[in-house]
Amino acid sequence: ETGVTQTPRHLVMGMTNKKSLKCEQHLGHNAMYWYKQSAKKPLELMFVYNFKEQTENNSVPSRFSPECPNSSHLFLHLHTLQPEDSALYLCASSQVRAGGPGTDTQYFGPGTRLTVL
Amino acid sequence: GQNIDQPTEMTATEGAIVQINCTYQTSGFNGLFWYQQHAGEAPTFLSYNVLDGLEEKGRFSSFLSRSKGYSYLLLKELQMKDSASYLCAVEETSGTYKYIFGTGTRLKVLA
Repeated sequence: ETGVTQTPRHLVMGMTNKKSLKCEQHLGHNAMYWYKQSAKKPLELMFVYNFKEQTENNSVPSRFSPECPNSSHLFLHLHTLQPEDSALYLCASSQVRAGGPGTDTQYFGPGTRLTVL
Repeated sequence: GQNIDQPTEMTATEGAIVQINCTYQTSGFNGLFWYQQHAGEAPTFLSYNVLDGLEEKGRFSSFLSRSKGYSYLLLKELQMKDSASYLCAVEETSGTYKYIFGTGTRLKVLA
């Protein structure tokens, strides 16, 4: 596998279900991100992990729970979602520049198309 | 506030040149990125500008004016496969490695 992979690619769930999205990066990067992409809206940053530590939670509802067990893997745990949470969820990774600030280019996975019924 | 503006849709003809504009107002600036996203696929990196001026990469060029909060992506010799959404993103200097994205410009290339 190369680049950034995400599973599953498509997910349909009911509002009472619990599911998890998985992301894996094979680029040796040290930062990972979750984004939400809804129709006709900008990509919205949800969470940032830098060296496995969460550095950003962009006012995301608690029904979304991220987990970063190591610098290569990122999960998004979902529970009691709402229909308006239906969207494309994209994972990305990048290499944070030594000495900061800023980061190099973010590389995106193909996304998980989530539908909440 | 933070705002990135791009046109919603553009149409151009195969072989032509198209310029996609992006204006931004952000609390900080550490660079501007352009991504291409085909329907149902991941955004893929096209270009990065942090200094004023033009960066050229084959058929694609990107320009930045920091004083004007303005960038454009120039696509030359358009091909049908260039039909996609083009996303403008600004990296803030807040120290949290945040990109702020525009809504994207959907480009349709017609034969």
